[in-house]
Amino acid sequence: EAGVAQSPRYKIIEKRQSVAFWCNPISGHATLYWYQQILGQGPKLLIQFQNNGVVDDSQLPKDRFSAERLKGVDSTLKIQPAKLEDSAVYLCASSLGPGLGRGNYGYTFGSGTRLTVV
Amino acid sequence: AQRVTQPEKLLSVFKGAPVELKCNYSYSGSPELFWYVQYSRQRLQLLLRHISRESIKGFTADLNKGETSFHLKKPFAQEEDSAMYYCALRGGGSNYKLTFGKGTLLTVNP
Repeated sequence: EAGVAQSPRYKIIEKRQSVAFWCNPISGHATLYWYQQILGQGPKLLIQFQNNGVVDDSQLPKDRFSAERLKGVDSTLKIQPAKLEDSAVYLCASSLGPGLGRGNYGYTFGSGTRLTVV
Repeated sequence: AQRVTQPEKLLSVFKGAPVELKCNYSYSGSPELFWYVQYSRQRLQLLLRHISRESIKGFTADLNKGETSFHLKKPFAQEEDSAMYYCALRGGGSNYKLTFGKGTLLTVNP
């Protein structure tokens, strides 16, 4: 099966500019996650979608970050305006979804988008 | 609240030596624990999960609820085991989100 696709792979922008990342999950995966991984740290969940609804966005800096998954398939994550501290790898992951029993979660990560804010 | 602690940022061993990567967690309920691995220039991928009680690439991990630990072990390390290892916890509730530790960089020297 095809994996989780993300684009672009790399992006360099100046602070205060805007940027958008795109993710196409595995076909049939209802749950989609965006994680932020700052250098030297583990991935941190930004937002979780179940189909096209938001399940958890408690750690999303909503003053500058936004995300959508309009048709319940692919998703975009946007930062506007970017700050230096947003430099990180942004990972998208998908899974069949919760409620399918413990252990049956099918989490698959994309390759990530490396963002550098200068 | 869910928290995962990996106390070692770096771990260096020689080929053939035993290796143990430590992971401790904090969670009020009954969690699921996982180990993820990221090899150089590759994406994050699942190594093993406690619920399967499996051994992958010679690695095992046992969930110790008394000590709230899920340490990753391998009796004889290989050079190809060099990678970044992340311990992760998934709680219950409605979202099943993964909470990751900060990771341990394992280097296996020849």
